[in-house]
Parts: sequence; C-alpha cells; structure tokens
Amino acid sequence: QQQVRQSPQSLTVWEGETAILNCSYEDSTFNYFPWYQQFPGEGPALLISISSVSDKKEDGRFTIFFNKREKKLSLHITDSQPGDSATYFCAARGNVGDNSKLIWGLGTSLVVNP
Amino acid sequence: GALVYQYPRRTICKSGTSMRMECQAVGFQATSVAWYRQSPQKTFELIALSTVNSAIKYEQNFTQEKFPISHPNLSFSSMTVLNAYLEDRGLYLCGARWQNTLYFGAGTRLSVL
Repeated sequence: QQQVRQSPQSLTVWEGETAILNCSYEDSTFNYFPWYQQFPGEGPALLISISSVSDKKEDGRFTIFFNKREKKLSLHITDSQPGDSATYFCAARGNVGDNSKLIWGLGTSLVVNP
Repeated sequence: GALVYQYPRRTICKSGTSMRMECQAVGFQATSVAWYRQSPQKTFELIALSTVNSAIKYEQNFTQEKFPISHPNLSFSSMTVLNAYLEDRGLYLCGARWQNTLYFGAGTRLSVL
C-alpha cells in the first residue's frame, strides 16, 4: 500500500505557467513533508519542506499548500522555467520509531516547454 | 551548505563480485545516514539506517550479510554490495541527516554484467 501518493505521474506545462503537483498521505501522524527535486543522473535535492503546523510555505517560485484535515498537499511552481524540468518527489515522516522513516511518493515528472 | 559526496558515481561489476561505495558529508556532521536504492522506475527502497555508535537497522529484504555498512564517524559511511547480481542494479543513494533534513549525494550507479 502506497502511503504517499503523487499525481499526476507526469505533467507538461509551458514556460511561464504555474505547475501544480499533488501529494496525499495516509498516516495522520506524519508531520514533516519535504519535496525533493531530482534531475536525470543526479541524487534528489531538497527543494522545500513544510511541517504540519503550517498550511503554507513559500520559497521564491515554489510554494507548498498543506491541508492537514484532508491529508493533502501540493507544490506550486509559478513562472515555470525549462530548467525546472525534473522529477519531483513528495515525502513524509513522523517522529517516532518506524514512523520516523522518510516515506516517498513515486514522483511527478515535470516537463516545462519553452 | 550541506553537501554529500558519493564515490564512485558509476561502477560496473561482474555478477557474483562485490563493490564498495562511499559517502562523505561535507560541512556538517550527520546524525544518521540512510542508504537507499532507487530503481529504474525511480522508486526509493530504504536499505538501512545507520547512526554512529548505534546498531545499524536494516529494512526488510536487506541484510547486513549482503549490504554491510561501516559508519565510523559523523562524516563518513560506506556500504558494500556483496555478490552482486542483476537484481542489485540501481542507483544507490546516501542520505545524511542534519537538522531534521535528509541531504543526498548524487548516488553510485551500479551496473552488473
């Protein structure tokens, strides 16, 4: 059972548009949600993260919207650039024991066309 | 900033042989190191979580006998893939934990002939 789900699996937008990547989770005790960006041939790099006490986190063109009640979050990339083309992973974890392991989604492959 | 270097970036080994990969945290002291394998389909499998001076915890389907890990200090860890076979192919990622965040290296891509 996939505890962290991402949609869509792939997304194509034009340069300048806003890309919206979705993520949902099962375990209500998860309280930390990082998003990682991965380019082909590279390891995942932390892009932005949010804790469950916040409903929004912004860093430049990247914004996370978090809905604790619905156990959903989304990553918005405004003014998308071709250089943003990558795979984006949503992950989640809690604090205690096995719950403290980072659980990964399967990723959304984003293509930004010029 | 927090940097994690992995070496080698790519390696090819013959089926049944072993290879060792290294992970170095630069600029910070990692409280723990997580070794992952990323499949060609991009799914992440946690192999083991290693904390200095504590027992290394292996996940189901991964064993110390197959993936021995050394974690002698807060900036270095190594893992060996023993008797590698085709199913061991993939990108091996080292994630070093610092201030509640996992920072990854670029990975070691293992190919098995």
